[in-house]
Amino acid sequence: QKEVEQDPGPLSVPEGAIVSLNCTYSNSAFQYFMWYRQYSRKGPELLMYTYSSGNKEDGRFTAQVDKSSKYISLFIRDSQPSDSATYLCAMSLSGNTPLVFGKGTRLSVIA
Amino acid sequence: SAVISQKPSRDICQRGTSLTIQCQVDSQVTMMFWYRQQPGQSLTLIATANQGSEATYESGFVIDKFPISRPNLTFSTLTVSNMSPEDSSIYLCSAGTGELFFGEGSRLTVL
Repeated sequence: QKEVEQDPGPLSVPEGAIVSLNCTYSNSAFQYFMWYRQYSRKGPELLMYTYSSGNKEDGRFTAQVDKSSKYISLFIRDSQPSDSATYLCAMSLSGNTPLVFGKGTRLSVIA
Repeated sequence: SAVISQKPSRDICQRGTSLTIQCQVDSQVTMMFWYRQQPGQSLTLIATANQGSEATYESGFVIDKFPISRPNLTFSTLTVSNMSPEDSSIYLCSAGTGELFFGEGSRLTVL
């Protein structure tokens, strides 16, 4: 079993839809949870950074962490064609340890 | 946030040669890491670049093949030695204190 599982998609949605992206993990010691967006031929861009359980909102993006279920989610409201990218979840044991990444989910938002 | 610059952005190399990738951060950071990303795949950690001491390598990566330097808190290099076509990949520098940011990557093609 991989440490971090993420459905690679691809996921295709119409413009304006609510998108839900998810990851599960096996190591209960993970404390920090991140979501990155990666456009083709670009480096990953940090979208959301969360410590422990709970919700965090930033504009159209909401990150949720449920440590009891070892499950994290990223919601995108009012999705736009510019949101079309690969979304990677990542997590770490502490603020100073390397990230473990999911495989990434490829999202297409169709106008 | 930290802005990370990588050089070169891309290169085509001959088998058996070595190439050094540079990573420059616009502010002092605690952590610097090197990742590899095969086309269409997620990120695999190569090593943690430790300031003033030897890097910490992940399983499957060795210092003779991927020597790393980190002379200060804003700069690191990764050398890919004695390259073979299997080394063709994108190499990414990641840095930060808590939140981790990425450079745009260095795309290597080995012929």
